Amino acid sequence: NAGVTQTPKFQVLKTGQSMTLQCAQDMNHEYMSWYRQDPGMGLRLIHYSVGAGITDQGEVPNGYNVSRSTTEDFPLRLLSAAPSQTSVYFCASSQGQRSNQPQHFGDGTRLSIL
Amino acid sequence: GDSVTQMEGPVTLSEEAFLTINCTYTATGYPSLFWYVQYPGEGLQLLLKATKADDKGSNKGFEATYRKETTSFHLEKGSVQVSDSAVYFCALRDTGNQFYFGTGTSLTVIP
Repeated sequence: NAGVTQTPKFQVLKTGQSMTLQCAQDMNHEYMSWYRQDPGMGLRLIHYSVGAGITDQGEVPNGYNVSRSTTEDFPLRLLSAAPSQTSVYFCASSQGQRSNQPQHFGDGTRLSIL
Repeated sequence: GDSVTQMEGPVTLSEEAFLTINCTYTATGYPSLFWYVQYPGEGLQLLLKATKADDKGSNKGFEATYRKETTSFHLEKGSVQVSDSAVYFCALRDTGNQFYFGTGTSLTVIP
């Protein structure tokens, strides 16, 4: 069972570069989300999607874009990387129709911006 | 708005000690409650869940009871092992299908 797959696992960028973090799930989940995890700050929601073609902003959306063209994929784009975006990024998915279902997480992407 | 508050860490225990990590929440209606565990270098894994008042979630010796009257979902384990060393997150899913996480509690178990 693949579950939620994130690529790459590690990435180093220079300030100003752009990149896309990939996220794919094979559970036919409607709900997908991106979080960043920084020391002492827990998880902060960046963007989320309740279904294909629908996205919305979370707590810390600035500097990030998302799209949801298929149910399976939910890529996160950094338009112009900044050192403040150095973090560990997690993608998660869950069933959208039943509110008692948990989120399933990927293994994370560890991103460093120099 | 909805929120989750869990006890600050880090927590250090000796092997076979009793563990309690406190979690309280604020939410309207009847949210679903979860505990996740994160091992070093890994993502969050669901540890247990409870979906209605007085439900008890349990897994791998861990337990938590959904207490509506005290808006709490405390995590307990009777005898911790070194392998339980990890970060634990309390979370809720509200009736609007939004998720909220606590800030995490780091547990270290020493032999």
